[in-house]
Amino acid sequence: GAGVSQSPSNKVTEKGKDVELRCDPISGHTALYWYRQSLGQGLEFLIYFQGNSAPDKSGLPSDRFSAERTGGSVSTLTIQRTQQEDSAVYLCASSLALWAEAPYEQYFGPGTRLTVT
Amino acid sequence: GENVEQHPSTLSVQEGDSAVIKCTYSDSASNYFPWYKQELGKRPQLIIDIRSNVGEKKDQRIAVTLNKTAKHFSLHITETQPEDSAVYFCAARDDKIIFGKGTRLHILP
Repeated sequence: GAGVSQSPSNKVTEKGKDVELRCDPISGHTALYWYRQSLGQGLEFLIYFQGNSAPDKSGLPSDRFSAERTGGSVSTLTIQRTQQEDSAVYLCASSLALWAEAPYEQYFGPGTRLTVT
Repeated sequence: GENVEQHPSTLSVQEGDSAVIKCTYSDSASNYFPWYKQELGKRPQLIIDIRSNVGEKKDQRIAVTLNKTAKHFSLHITETQPEDSAVYFCAARDDKIIFGKGTRLHILP
């Protein structure tokens, strides 16, 4: 079956512009994560959606960042008034469930490489 | 929230030797500990995971150990091969999965 997909694969934008990044999780996966990975760095948690629960936004670096997940499936990460420090690879991951004995394995998308000039 | 520390940040190992990467976590409620491998330019992929009701798990040349009391878990790779060169991330889950900063493993010929 299809894995996690993300679009666009690459995005170059001018400083100050808004960008939208899209994630299509694996069908049936209730948990969806966004991470940011700067060049040669680790995976920085941004936001987490689980089913119909309120998202955990504790990792969003500023109020310029927001995300939504429509119908419990596709998610969009929006960055307003982009800054050069926003340049990074944005990775989306999904997993099946979160309760005790269910598999937690995250499946990552290929990422969106964002470059702010 | 959970905080995961990972060491070392870089590790060079002679081919055929063993490699050990260590992580600590802060939240005693964490109950799931995966390890991911990320090759250059590729997405992270799960290589092994362990739950809090198990102390050790092994899959061929890869093993993970968990010490819940110390809140410490480790990845062990034996008989390292050139294709083991990559960045390895540990993670811990309480209500969400938080990653360590990664270890860049170099296998020397």
